[in-house]
Amino acid sequence: GIQVEQSPPDLILQEGANSTLRCNFSDSVNNLQWFHQNPWGQLINLFYIPSGTKQNGRLSATTVATERYSLLYISSSQTTDSGVYFCATDPRGAQKLVFGQGTRLTINP
Amino acid sequence: DTEVTQTPKHLVMGMTNKKSLKCEQHMGHRAMYWYKQKAKKPPELMFVYSYEKLSINESVPSRFSPECPNSSLLNLHLHALQPEDSALYLCASSHRDGYEQYFGPGTRLTVT
Repeated sequence: GIQVEQSPPDLILQEGANSTLRCNFSDSVNNLQWFHQNPWGQLINLFYIPSGTKQNGRLSATTVATERYSLLYISSSQTTDSGVYFCATDPRGAQKLVFGQGTRLTINP
Repeated sequence: DTEVTQTPKHLVMGMTNKKSLKCEQHMGHRAMYWYKQKAKKPPELMFVYSYEKLSINESVPSRFSPECPNSSLLNLHLHALQPEDSALYLCASSHRDGYEQYFGPGTRLTVT
């Protein structure tokens, strides 16, 4: 099955810093989503981005489907950005999301 | 409105109990999903319903029994669970399978 790898596994930053999270996937995909899981377990949709670039406030994402990777950029980090960031892909024909292992982001004040 | 609701938020049950988890969406989505998430791990798919029919069962033990009574509602019936089944159970929905999925807040289940 498809392999989804995220890096780095852990990231600790000071408030105000910028960061780049990476997601590599091993096969062609229909769908790629980025989520933020808050401390209570809620998965919050950040981006649905099978290809191209999107921006939402301080966050932006780019997926290069032909090279099988996606990047999530967080600028001017705030403590509320802390949590686990997952990318998840839907391999073509698979009907399901396969998640990476996540990046645990800690933003210190 | 992109809301998926789940009840209860927390559930503690003994190994001989029978309980049910409930998931509801009113976005007109026709695909609904159950995922299981253990601590410090990513969510893993359990079941997919597409147009109210079970389309994927990821070899889940029969002590977990899904039900989709209508296009807005998804249940997960639990019976004779084991302590290792303790986890966060997440429900999701999408317009159709293969489209963007939206997750509920989850039910945190503890089996004693």
